[in-house]
Amino acid sequence: DGGITQSPKYLFRKEGQNVTLSCEQNLNHDAMYWYRQDPGQGLRLIYYSQIVNDFQKGDIAEGYSVSREKKESFPLTVTSAQQNPTAFYLCASSIDFGRGTGVSGANVLTFGAGSRLTVL
Amino acid sequence: EDQVTQSPEALRLQEGESSSLNCSYTVSGLRGLFWYRQDPGKGPEFLFTLYSAGEEKEKERLKATLTKKESFLHITAPKPEDSATYLCAVIRGSQGNLIFGKGTKLSVKP
Repeated sequence: DGGITQSPKYLFRKEGQNVTLSCEQNLNHDAMYWYRQDPGQGLRLIYYSQIVNDFQKGDIAEGYSVSREKKESFPLTVTSAQQNPTAFYLCASSIDFGRGTGVSGANVLTFGAGSRLTVL
Repeated sequence: EDQVTQSPEALRLQEGESSSLNCSYTVSGLRGLFWYRQDPGKGPEFLFTLYSAGEEKEKERLKATLTKKESFLHITAPKPEDSATYLCAVIRGSQGNLIFGKGTKLSVKP
């Protein structure tokens, strides 16, 4: 079955450490995204990638980094510069970025199950 | 500034008690409005996309409608398994990614 796999599901980080969250998709989607979810807040966009070897900052990119070397993979690194990293992280993908390609549902997001990061 | 506001923040219903969730939006030139369902500790699951005012879509006990300023998610005769957080999102006008509301947490008691 096609889908998005995020790992690990739970992760604990000590202050000053960098950690990397994995996101892999087998849907053959061009676009991938990372969102952060905090209690009482909506999903906030961290980074997104429209195509391999290209990515853009979202609304809250400070303290995070990404890479997109393969179409299937979009890992997120939470660096020590991120002041308050404890949150639920969601990876998503879509057929494309929805810029009027004419494909119905091209920008519908499919989400992974999420990774919960806790700073000790 | 593009914005999505959902109300109420939380809604408690008795099984069989129909109601509606609201999503009001401010965006320059709506290109799509999305509804998702999210269970605790899981990723959101896609429900509907609406593209133009007057459009309606249905799935089991859920019906989504769209006007020029807001969308409603109507829940008819809800069951306890409908308990979840419902998220609304729109395509951001200046870019192409989605902006999400904070969600409505629905609890349906038997």
